[in-house]
Amino acid sequence: DTGVSQNPRHKITKRGQNVTFRCDPISEHNRLYWYRQTLGQGPEFLTYFQNEAQLEKSRLLSDRFSAERPKGSFSTLEIQRTEQGDSAMYLCASSTTRTGELFFGEGSRLTVL
Amino acid sequence: AQSVTQLDSQVPVFEEAPVELRCNYSSSVSVYLFWYVQYPNQGLQLLLKYLSGSTLVKGINGFEAEFNKSQTSFHLRKPSVHISDTAEYFCAVTGGGNKLTFGTGTQLKVEL
Repeated sequence: DTGVSQNPRHKITKRGQNVTFRCDPISEHNRLYWYRQTLGQGPEFLTYFQNEAQLEKSRLLSDRFSAERPKGSFSTLEIQRTEQGDSAMYLCASSTTRTGELFFGEGSRLTVL
Repeated sequence: AQSVTQLDSQVPVFEEAPVELRCNYSSSVSVYLFWYVQYPNQGLQLLLKYLSGSTLVKGINGFEAEFNKSQTSFHLRKPSVHISDTAEYFCAVTGGGNKLTFGTGTQLKVEL
């Protein structure tokens, strides 16, 4: 297994456009997490899934953000009507235990012009 | 809820010198603690973790950390750093295993 995979790695878009990021977790991992990281900051929790169920969402996840994990495997994070403040690195992670050890992908960097 | 404080945003150190990166946490429940490293334009890689048992935890690349419950600290140490250790280091905590809360990170810069 090659680890957590994220696509695209980089996305440049104009304000107001919609963007979608995909995350493929490690295959046997039932938990999947999305984090956002801005320059000079640590990753901030956005949401997490156990199998296909979205169990928790951060207040950071505004109505313009939606995440899905339809079959309990890959996940998508969509941002509608992007704003310049959405520019960040979006990190996906997966895990299989309750001890919180997360395995991260390399991230998807979003730049909103 | 849990929180993590990394007081040092940057730590410069000469190669082969020892280093300590500080991490303090706050939690009302028992915690699991982690240190992750992030190289430029890459995701986070686990260095080490404390779940239970011995308070001295050894990780990859010669790093170790000590859990101190009375001081609510989990400082990261390495006796002799290398140029390749230059990276961002994040301390993280979880109380129930559902999600990690990260600190703001410490940039370790190793100089010749």
